[in-house]
Amino acid sequence: DTAVSQTPKYLVTQMGNDKSIKCEQNLGHDTMYWYKQDSKKFLKIMFSYNNKELIINETVPNRFSPKSPDKAHLNLHINSLELGDSAVYFCASTRGDIPDHDYEQYFGPGTRLTVT
Amino acid sequence: AQTVTQSQPEMSVQEAETVTLSCTYDTSESDYYLFWYKQPPSRQMILVIRQEAYKQQNATENRFSVNFQKAAKSFSLKISDSQLGDAAMYFCAYSDTSGSRLTFGEGTQLTVNP
Repeated sequence: DTAVSQTPKYLVTQMGNDKSIKCEQNLGHDTMYWYKQDSKKFLKIMFSYNNKELIINETVPNRFSPKSPDKAHLNLHINSLELGDSAVYFCASTRGDIPDHDYEQYFGPGTRLTVT
Repeated sequence: AQTVTQSQPEMSVQEAETVTLSCTYDTSESDYYLFWYKQPPSRQMILVIRQEAYKQQNATENRFSVNFQKAAKSFSLKISDSQLGDAAMYFCAYSDTSGSRLTFGEGTQLTVNP
């Protein structure tokens, strides 16, 4: 069974379009994340949600809006896509309750977004 | 802010040999977590090994082990008996104890030569 899934895995679109990437985890985790991996393979956090509440917003343009309908889902909506948004976007989740020290982040397969 | 540095953009090793990937980090915290992730061409992020800063003993997972030097803020990964399947990009990562985010290094591309 897939622990963290993302759809789609590949997304090709034109500048100015609006697109969404969906993420679902079936691990019962409380915290979910979006990371961006740029063309140089550098990974950086974008957002973090805990139980549907935003806890990290890492200076990401307002065109990016995460939405968490429930704690198993964290979707990423991007408005007015730009060439520089081309990257691989990873969703991840973690349990979140520290006393168990189950702090490992489980990653989805990534979504390769190409803006033309 | 925490930073993670991997000074080796590329490394290569002969099959069955041992290779060590370097990682240094900067933090003012006394307790934190450190990780090595592997990213093969499939781009899936795979956790290789993890270390809690409060533990003095170096973590080991089969052929993978770390040399954790807390005072030096160094966290290197040793891969023994390298296999062709070990070829991948390796990322060192740091997390505080809230587990709120991972801060990644730039990555080291490992090539395994047959």
